[in-house]
Amino acid sequence: EDQVTQSPEALRLQEGESSSLNCSYTVSGLRGLFWYRQDPGKGPEFLFTLYSAGEEKEKERLKATLTKKESFLHITAPKPEDSATYLCAVRDSNYQLIWGAGTKLIIKP
Amino acid sequence: DGGITQSPKYLFRKEGQNVTLSCEQNLNHDAMYWYRQDPGQGLRLIYYSQIVNDFQKGDIAEGYSVSREKKESFPLTVTSAQKNPTAFYLCASSELDITSTDTQYFGPGTRLTVL
Repeated sequence: EDQVTQSPEALRLQEGESSSLNCSYTVSGLRGLFWYRQDPGKGPEFLFTLYSAGEEKEKERLKATLTKKESFLHITAPKPEDSATYLCAVRDSNYQLIWGAGTKLIIKP
Repeated sequence: DGGITQSPKYLFRKEGQNVTLSCEQNLNHDAMYWYRQDPGQGLRLIYYSQIVNDFQKGDIAEGYSVSREKKESFPLTVTSAQKNPTAFYLCASSELDITSTDTQYFGPGTRLTVL
């Protein structure tokens, strides 16, 4: 069964403390991996799409990477405004989008 | 400003009531989607539509209905048959249909609470 698992469920960091969020997946025929940011009570905001192993994308303090089994969202020197829930979704060979439960990131000033 | 709007932001439903959630987009996207979000779970697809006057059931369509009379609009009705409707509802749209790798963009959401 196709599955997407995000870890950890929650992550608390001090401002400036770099870390990574993980999205591991088991899908048949990856057709894209998507990262979104979601603030409380709001809709998800698109961040990145990755299509093949080895691909990397960056935006400000965020960098997403992809292997054949997982993706990492690296956060470098985070600020309090980076606090949010980060969602990962994978499109499988049937073009179905499978969502992870998210990682709640809290950055303390 | 192009985007997706959802209304209302908050909605309260009494037992036995049908309620309708609005979703409008001015991005000229062909495909539109409805998701349900519950705490600790991934988004779950309720219905999607690739073209006007056509829509398909998602993973959890029971107790819900939709219509797509205009390209810009995709309202969702939560019927009394949906026994546990309290959740955060998200509408999304994308340029191409669901059989593609195209990115989905989301509205701000509607929080539905059963009284």
